[in-house]
Amino acid sequence: QQPVQSPQAVILREGEDAVINCSSSKALYSVHWYRQKHGEAPVFLMILLKGGEQKGHEKISASFNEKKQQSSLYLTASQLSYSGTYFCGTEKGGYQKVTFGTGTKLQVIP
Amino acid sequence: NAGVTQTPKFRVLKTGQSMTLLCAQDMNHEYMYWYRQDPGMGLRLIHYSVGEGTTAKGEVPDGYNVSRLKKQNFLLGLESAAPSQTSVYFCASSRDRPNQPQHFGDGTRLSIL
Repeated sequence: QQPVQSPQAVILREGEDAVINCSSSKALYSVHWYRQKHGEAPVFLMILLKGGEQKGHEKISASFNEKKQQSSLYLTASQLSYSGTYFCGTEKGGYQKVTFGTGTKLQVIP
Repeated sequence: NAGVTQTPKFRVLKTGQSMTLLCAQDMNHEYMYWYRQDPGMGLRLIHYSVGEGTTAKGEVPDGYNVSRLKKQNFLLGLESAAPSQTSVYFCASSRDRPNQPQHFGDGTRLSIL
């Protein structure tokens, strides 16, 4: 079952902040975040493990709430280069077998 | 260091034709995956492999077959292509240790008429 991402799409002006949420109905082992620019391959951002871990990549950070089976991606002071579709992926059984959400399309405008 | 290479990049097939998509990785990764990506559906796992000679079904395996005869290569086959298989196909690989990222190829855009 695919994790649910929200919102489906968001438009930001440069410098604004955004939060993308990822929820699963099943117990999770870890949560992966990827970004895909139009016409390109998905690119890894970070992996979060159980325990409420928070990680960062550039000005992008994320948290994982194990009890709620939810992860959130935080984009602060957005830049034009942040535009793309963000996918969360949940892993519950090993072998790095990830089930991806349907994505959140983020557009940053000047 | 090429990473993950997919061939071909584009292909148009007629219904009923067969073809094989090739994925090659030069990172000595044990795990390899095939995904399809359709508008609004995200990435869905077709088949995956946890080592040379092994394959397993993912979420949407029907109509596809795979083989992993060599560690560095993972082939995806369509025996009798159908219009519903029109999609962008991505291959990925990862190390066989916990919590590793997947490295994706540039994708193959496949259209079936």
